[in-house]
Amino acid sequence: QKEVEQDPGPLSVPEGAIVSLNCTYSNSAFQYFMWYRQYSRKGPELLMYTYSSGNKEDGRFTAQVDKSSKYISLFIRDSQPSDSATYLCAMSDFNKFYFGSGTKLNVKP
Amino acid sequence: EADIYQTPRYLVIGTGKKITLECSQTMGHDKMYWYQQDPGMELHLIHYSYGVNSTEKGDLSSESTVSRIRTEHFPLTLESARPSHTSQYLCASRSDTQYFGPGTRLTVL
Repeated sequence: QKEVEQDPGPLSVPEGAIVSLNCTYSNSAFQYFMWYRQYSRKGPELLMYTYSSGNKEDGRFTAQVDKSSKYISLFIRDSQPSDSATYLCAMSDFNKFYFGSGTKLNVKP
Repeated sequence: EADIYQTPRYLVIGTGKKITLECSQTMGHDKMYWYQQDPGMELHLIHYSYGVNSTEKGDLSSESTVSRIRTEHFPLTLESARPSHTSQYLCASRSDTQYFGPGTRLTVL
């Protein structure tokens, strides 16, 4: 079983839609939770970073962590074609990082 | 914004050549990582370092080697490149979270 599970998609939505991306994990030792955005043939770009449970909002992006359910989410409001990319969740137990396989998102104009 | 740099960004070489992929960061991070990622595929950890003179192999077996003589510098070397080494190589460093460089896209003919 993988440490981190993420639906690979692809996910296709119309411009302006609310997008929900999710990951589940199995290791209760994870304390740091991150979301990265990766455009084709580029390095991952850090979008959101949270420590432990709770919500964090940054502009159109909201990250949620539910440690009791071992479930994290990223919400994108008012999605734009420029949001089309692969979104990776990542988690850390302070030493190593564990990445999801990525969800490919396509926002249609 | 993270200051982590990789050179070259693109490299096309012939089989059997020795190559070194450069990675440097100006954030003073002790922990640095090398990942390999094929197009549309997952990140695979191939090497990591927790500080100067510390290097470890990652989860994915790799014929490459790394060195960490200075905190800011973490080069990756392939002694004899083969077509199977064709991939994107991503360097990262971390404090609480992990920051990625732009990647080196390697093609071995």
